[in-house]
Amino acid sequence: GQNIDQPTEMTATEGAIVQINCTYQTSGFNGLFWYQQHAGEAPTFLSYNVLDGLEEKGRFSSFLSRSKGYSYLLLKELQMKDSASYLCAVTTDKLIFGTGTRLQVFP
Amino acid sequence: GAVVSQHPSWVICKSGTSVKIECRSLDFQATTMFWYRQFPKQSLMLMATSNEGSKATYEQGVEKDKFLINHASLTLSTLTVTSAHPEDSSFYICSARRDRGTGVWDSNQPQHFGDGTRLSIL
Repeated sequence: GQNIDQPTEMTATEGAIVQINCTYQTSGFNGLFWYQQHAGEAPTFLSYNVLDGLEEKGRFSSFLSRSKGYSYLLLKELQMKDSASYLCAVTTDKLIFGTGTRLQVFP
Repeated sequence: GAVVSQHPSWVICKSGTSVKIECRSLDFQATTMFWYRQFPKQSLMLMATSNEGSKATYEQGVEKDKFLINHASLTLSTLTVTSAHPEDSSFYICSARRDRGTGVWDSNQPQHFGDGTRLSIL
């Protein structure tokens, strides 16, 4: 089976740093994506990891450990607009989404 | 950049009606497109993989006779919810990934999503 797990909800303060974890057990692995989704909207692409290590892109960074089946998304200098759901997705022969994490940023 | 257009964005109809949703890749070819369903406060659940020129591949538990998929060209896939009932009310989203040029989609490229269709069955 395919299992991709994330914490259901997280809260953080504006200006802080938050780490959203994702663990996966899938039959096959080509890479791992992170998407952001605001309520009622389609997901938007944030990052992609295929090799182990950290990928940095502005305020957002994503880490992957294939041997551990683990990834995290790191958000720095949080802003109110970062309040959204964050979806971890593993690509095999198709793209399978994790359970999603709803992040709420407070002033 | 690549754009995927999904239409309609919002549908309200009576129980028993069939509803067709279109997904178009506007500036790239997509041999493979994907259809997802999302219930409130839940993640995206893959329903089926739409393949141009061949039958769609459905995920376990998804009724193929209920959710008809047609991928008639390299830029268009349609999902028809037949005889829709209130339990079919959901947010339906399609996605596509640019072909690698060999008619095979590249799993290393991000999928581009349509804006979604909110379906409400009364």
